[in-house]
This record gives sequence, structure tokens and C-alpha cells, in this order.
Amino acid sequence: GAVVSQHPSRVICKSGTSVKIECRSLDFQATTMFWYRQFPKQSLMLMATSNEGSKATYEQGVEKDKFLINHASLTLSTLTVTSAHPEDSSFYICSAGETRGLGYGYTFGSGTRLTVV
Amino acid sequence: TQLLEQSPQFLSIQEGENLTVYCNSSSVFSSLQWYRQEPGEGPVLLVTVVTGGEVKKLKRLTFQFGDARKDSSLHITAAQTGDTGLYLCAGEEYGNKLVFGAGTILRVKS
Repeated sequence: GAVVSQHPSRVICKSGTSVKIECRSLDFQATTMFWYRQFPKQSLMLMATSNEGSKATYEQGVEKDKFLINHASLTLSTLTVTSAHPEDSSFYICSAGETRGLGYGYTFGSGTRLTVV
Repeated sequence: TQLLEQSPQFLSIQEGENLTVYCNSSSVFSSLQWYRQEPGEGPVLLVTVVTGGEVKKLKRLTFQFGDARKDSSLHITAAQTGDTGLYLCAGEEYGNKLVFGAGTILRVKS
């Protein structure tokens, strides 16, 4: 089945530094990928839609200058958290859509646990 | 952005019992998807329902999509400890954006 690979799975960084998270579709091409944020015991909140070859579309309240998204190819999207602060600590998850036997659905990466100290 | 209300938020039952999780909205979605998520992992798609009134079955799991495509339910028969996890419903808006419900934490005790 389709696989979305997300790296790193865990990262700890110092406050003020930047962190890059990669999301790769391994066996299919994804013109669109989605980035979510999830707090403990809460649901997923869409942050932005990443479009290959064009600018990302950010959800209301998400700072585009803080969460930089680059979708340079049909199989890779990156999210860079710039000048990270402790309140940016969260679980970040990417996804890509595709059609398969269960119906059209989305394959999610395994997530990145970001801790800013 | 449309809203999805998912209930209950937490469910603790004994192995062998049945349960139903509900997902409701005042808006229409192009599809409704159900996911299961394990701690520290991304959600995994269980099923997508598209047609109003549609019913899909996956072994002990039965998914229904309301006639008006605004609500859905997940019914698990004879729950097992392996069913423990976070269940998420997600409505697909036109434009392929997913709106997630708050999630249901299911705990099945042996």
C-alpha cells in the first residue's frame, strides 16, 4: 500500500533554533500534501496545504513566516519551524491523498514529536 | 471551515461488548472518513464513505453514512482489547481538505 515517510520521528531543539521536518510519498506522487498539528489527547488541526510547485495555503491563525513549507517535488514536502519556542512543542503530522481499495483516503506519516527546550 | 462533532470523547468497555461512535455536522461533506490512531503514530485510514445511506463493513466494524451526508457512525461488535485506540472521523470538504472530529479514545478491558 501507499506509504508516507516522515522524518525525524522525534526532535529536541533549543529555543530560537529552526527545525526541518520532511515528508515523502514513497510509492506514489502527491501534488498536494497536508500538514497537521496535534496536541496531547486532542484531534488533528490542519495547519497548511502544501502544493507542488506553488505556495502553500495556510489555515487561519497559522503564521506562514514561522512555519515555512516547501513542496519542491511530487514526492517531497518539508515543514520548517523557524525560531522555535516552547509553545511550538507538539506532534506534527503530514499526509497525502490517494485512491485505493478502501475508497479515496489519506495516508499519514508517522508524525514528528517536536520538543523545544 | 465546517465542524464535526464526535461523541463520545472517551469510552471504556469490557471485551465482548458492542459500541457505537457518532460523528455529526450541520454541513454536507463530499466524503466521510474514519481513522484509527495509535500513540505516537499517524492516523491509519479504516474506511471512506461517499454515498448518502452507504453502509460498509470491515469484519467487526460497521460504518454508516447518513442519507444527507452530514453524519456518520462507527459500530464495533464484540470489541477486543486490540481495538483500543483513538478513533477519528474526518469530513472531506470540497477542495480535498479534511476536517477532523475531536476523536474518541476507546479502551477495551479484558
